[in-house]
Amino acid sequence: GQQLNQSPQSMFIQEGEDVSMNCTSSSIFNTWLWYKQEPGEGPVLLIALYKAGELTSNGRLTAQFGITRKDSFLNISASIPSDVGIYFCAGIIYGQNFVFGPGTRLSVLP
Amino acid sequence: GAVVSQHPSWVICKSGTSVKIECRSLDFQATTMFWYRQFPKQSLMLMATSNEGSKATYEQGVEKDKFLINHASLTLSTLTVTSAHPEDSSFYICSALHSGSYYEQYFGPGTRLTVT
Repeated sequence: GQQLNQSPQSMFIQEGEDVSMNCTSSSIFNTWLWYKQEPGEGPVLLIALYKAGELTSNGRLTAQFGITRKDSFLNISASIPSDVGIYFCAGIIYGQNFVFGPGTRLSVLP
Repeated sequence: GAVVSQHPSWVICKSGTSVKIECRSLDFQATTMFWYRQFPKQSLMLMATSNEGSKATYEQGVEKDKFLINHASLTLSTLTVTSAHPEDSSFYICSALHSGSYYEQYFGPGTRLTVT
């Protein structure tokens, strides 16, 4: 079945730094979603992408749907302590279930 | 908008008993809801897809007689863990597919189940 890889697995950054993470697959997806999960909580939808090449922002977050439709990127600018959490990507092939990546664990040092 | 609630948020039960977890979409209708299980420091594992008014579809390896799912209305799905064992201890998360959106799943806050 389809699998998603997320990179990096974890990252420690200083407050104020920009963050980049990506999600890749050998399969083509129709939709990419990015979620953030904080400890003991359910994932919260951050950004949804529906078209190859699409670039969408949500505050300090920007995500892109890769041109090949096999990857997606999430950037966070000027990180703050509340950005801490696990960021999951999810890919959708129409008519099939969601596929979730293993997550990127982000720690922000003050 | 697009709020999903779960109840209870945590539960401790004795081995052999059954536990019911509720998932509600509060401000939208959801013909489809999903149930996930998450182990510490791992990603979400889809257990089953619940469609309103019909039988749930279970993922391979998930026992349908052990994890009973009922999607009785457009805003409520329940997961009952029957004859719970310590290995069923986990974080259970539901999500609801917003009927008005393309394919956006909105997640509940999760239920922490501990079986002693």
